[in-house]
Amino acid sequence: GEDVEQSLFLSVREGDSSVINCTYTDSSSTYLYWYKQEPGAGLQLLTYIFSNMDMKQDQRLTVLLNKKDKHLSLRIADTQTGDSAIYFCAERKGAGTASKLTFGTGTRLQVTL
Amino acid sequence: EAQVTQNPRYLITVTGKKLTVTCSQNMNHEYMSWYRQDPGLGLRQIYYSMNVEVTDKGDVPEGYKVSRKEKRNFPLILESPSPNQTSLYFCASSLGGWGTEAFFGQGTRLTVV
Repeated sequence: GEDVEQSLFLSVREGDSSVINCTYTDSSSTYLYWYKQEPGAGLQLLTYIFSNMDMKQDQRLTVLLNKKDKHLSLRIADTQTGDSAIYFCAERKGAGTASKLTFGTGTRLQVTL
Repeated sequence: EAQVTQNPRYLITVTGKKLTVTCSQNMNHEYMSWYRQDPGLGLRQIYYSMNVEVTDKGDVPEGYKVSRKEKRNFPLILESPSPNQTSLYFCASSLGGWGTEAFFGQGTRLTVV
């Protein structure tokens, strides 16, 4: 199908790790992204990974990519209240001027004290 | 400051009354796009533009028009709005293809009654 799928909601305690999962559709996707949307704001790019990589780490963020299963995950270490937001994964399909971003449904992360 | 500016941020209108949501970017980006965000559906692309006078349909173009007469502006036009166009709308721009970071506007919450 055409959908990029995510679970809708995740609740974690402050200081714990959060893992947000995403299943994408196109095995030929070249880039996969994680965006963060804070309340009342637009989307902000958090990180992205090339399809020929398995893992990318950027400070508290770790992205894991399983191309065989078309599964992408975002791990946030030491989750803080400021991490509460909606997280979208997105895949880039196609190449060059014909490429486009397809977004998942978004996962709302709630961080509790 | 690099930014994508949408106006208005909030709009309530009546069915059939033409409206325009403006989008402007100050980064000299070639690519611009409009998305709508609906609960449980994530972001869906309405229209996109690869450069001045070059526009194309996204996944959900019905009921919308766009224009790209100059690089910085990409207005979204609803000729005859209907209640099913009640949504949160985002404009985005990027320098090249979608492999580069996309910058998003703050969003326009539209209600059609």
